[in-house]
Amino acid sequence: DGGITQSPKYLFRKEGQNVTLSCEQNLNHDAMYWYRQDPGQGLRLIYYSQIVNDFQKGDIAEGYSVSREKKESFPLTVTSAQKNPTAFYLCASAPPGTHTGELFFGEGSRLTVL
Amino acid sequence: GQNIDQPTEMTATEGAIVQINCTYQTSGFNGLFWYQQHAGEAPTFLSYNVLDGLEEKGRFSSFLSRSKGYSYLLLKELQMKDSASYLCAVLDSNYQLIWGAGTKLIIKP
Repeated sequence: DGGITQSPKYLFRKEGQNVTLSCEQNLNHDAMYWYRQDPGQGLRLIYYSQIVNDFQKGDIAEGYSVSREKKESFPLTVTSAQKNPTAFYLCASAPPGTHTGELFFGEGSRLTVL
Repeated sequence: GQNIDQPTEMTATEGAIVQINCTYQTSGFNGLFWYQQHAGEAPTFLSYNVLDGLEEKGRFSSFLSRSKGYSYLLLKELQMKDSASYLCAVLDSNYQLIWGAGTKLIIKP
């Protein structure tokens, strides 16, 4: 079945460590996104990519990095520079030729910093 | 700044009707979206409005008034499985989605 797979679902990290969240899609979508969700707040855009080998910063990119070497993959690294990384992270993709607001989400990765 | 407002929480009874409101102030408008998100899960797309009026899709309908910066999601014949958060999002002039904080809907038997 086509879809978006995020891993791991739960992740614990010690302060000062970098962690990488995986996002893979087999929907043949060009656009991919990373969002952060915190309680009581709307989704906030971290990074997005419209095409392979290109990506753009979102509203809260500081302390995060991404790569887009393959169409199917858009991993997110949460670096030690991110001051408050504990959150629910959502990866999404969008099909071409749409109004770019209909997103397909992965199941999310919950990161907890100990 | 850009802003989307929704009620934080609403309660309704199984079998009843509930209306979840969303007001927005954004730089430009290219469409409004409603998503459903069950606790601990990913959001799923429900509806899209770009012109004024009502869009109906089964038990769910979504309404838009661009002049008032206002939308609502109407859920009929509520079922227990409709207990979830409902997220309103607007596509701004840069084609970026601006998200509301979501409305947690609690359904009681």
